[in-house]
Amino acid sequence: AQKVTQAQTEISVVEKEDVTLDCVYETRDTTYYLFWYKQPPSGELVFLIRRNSFDEQNEISGRYSWNFQKSTSSFNFTITASQVVDSAVYFCALRGVSGGYNKLIFGAGTRLAVHP
Amino acid sequence: NAGVTQTPKFRILKIGQSMTLQCTQDMNHNYMYWYRQDPGMGLKLIYYSVGAGITDKGEVPNGYNVSRSTTEDFPLRLELAAPSQTSVYFCASSSDSNYGYTFGSGTRLTVV
Repeated sequence: AQKVTQAQTEISVVEKEDVTLDCVYETRDTTYYLFWYKQPPSGELVFLIRRNSFDEQNEISGRYSWNFQKSTSSFNFTITASQVVDSAVYFCALRGVSGGYNKLIFGAGTRLAVHP
Repeated sequence: NAGVTQTPKFRILKIGQSMTLQCTQDMNHNYMYWYRQDPGMGLKLIYYSVGAGITDKGEVPNGYNVSRSTTEDFPLRLELAAPSQTSVYFCASSSDSNYGYTFGSGTRLTVV
């Protein structure tokens, strides 16, 4: 079975703090894909990043960075110098490639509140 | 590009009523999905489709039906609405099974 665990239900920080959102996944597939999505208060889902299981390079995009570690089955997301506009619910998701058509499995989400 | 369009944005249903949530995409994507998001929770897959004429159940299909007569449209039908179906419904599409999804803006449904 595939599973995504986001143990942090809510995180509250003050603007300019760095914050890391944890994501731990379970899958028996050797090939799989990991995603992060952002859901701002307006409710839409915004794609942030996709990482495949063969690419363990960390990625940085502006203030966002992602740390993928297969050894610990984790795909953590760090926001540097957080801003109020970063306030949102962040979802980690997993897609394997076995067992027929592969579907995107979401974690329960982490609500991030950034205060001025 | 409109992307994925869902209608309506909001709806209140009485118990036992039926309705269809519409979803249309203009990106010629083969793959389409319906998810529901309960308050404070992640998204659960209801139904999905890998192409016109092909649909299959996801994690929580009970109480719903879908059809996919064209590549563009993937309507979700609720029969005999129940309070447990109060949720936000998201439609999504993707160009192949390995890429990220494009989501619609959601339909907030309340069953009273």
